[in-house]
Amino acid sequence: GAGVSQSPSNKVTEKGKDVELRCDPISGHTALYWYRQSLGQGLEFLIYFQGNSAPDKSGLPSDRFSAERTGGSVSTLTIQRTQQEDSAVYLCASSLWVSGANVLTFGAGSRLTVL
Amino acid sequence: AQSVAQPEDQVNVAEGNPLTVKCTYSVSGNPYLFWYVQYPNRGLQFLLKYITGDNLVKGSYGFEAEFNKSQTSFHLKKPSALVSDSALYFCAVRDDYGQNFVFGPGTRLSVLP
Repeated sequence: GAGVSQSPSNKVTEKGKDVELRCDPISGHTALYWYRQSLGQGLEFLIYFQGNSAPDKSGLPSDRFSAERTGGSVSTLTIQRTQQEDSAVYLCASSLWVSGANVLTFGAGSRLTVL
Repeated sequence: AQSVAQPEDQVNVAEGNPLTVKCTYSVSGNPYLFWYVQYPNRGLQFLLKYITGDNLVKGSYGFEAEFNKSQTSFHLKKPSALVSDSALYFCAVRDDYGQNFVFGPGTRLSVLP
């Protein structure tokens, strides 16, 4: 596609429910990243995927968070048993490959509100 | 470990005046430095990057940034601010060894008419 697409753009859920957030990266981009941005805050790294390599999960805040990337393309971030502190904008970004000079292209984000 | 500091939460500048948004970094290898801008309810947009070469980098919308190795800084500048430049600005760094980008906390720029 022309850009990074994320869905849903907005999600309101009740505490304890599971949610899935989807990211469709730019075609041909081998690297895919997930970040979290809480209200008025900076970006918190969650996870990244690079080709067929094992993902770097070092930023996932708890075992309630998981992500997968199928076929080297679309990625799904899953949050189980959501808590109010999970409320944030979840940003996905992709880049052509993982190397120093490569630029990240971001999607518009998925805003999650946990009631 | 890589880190980025943006010492100012908020920068206010009058339209037409020059603006500077500050960024300092720490990396163990050669730095690759980036500036992104975020407009309300939008994702981050790439402005410019430093890889190597000229210390003064020019980017989108008339922005430029100066890489200073001795001061480990990469300040964002624009000679004449526009009201439409009002947004949240993020500095980011990665190095030769890391595969992740580290972002600063962001600086909110307000350009007053």
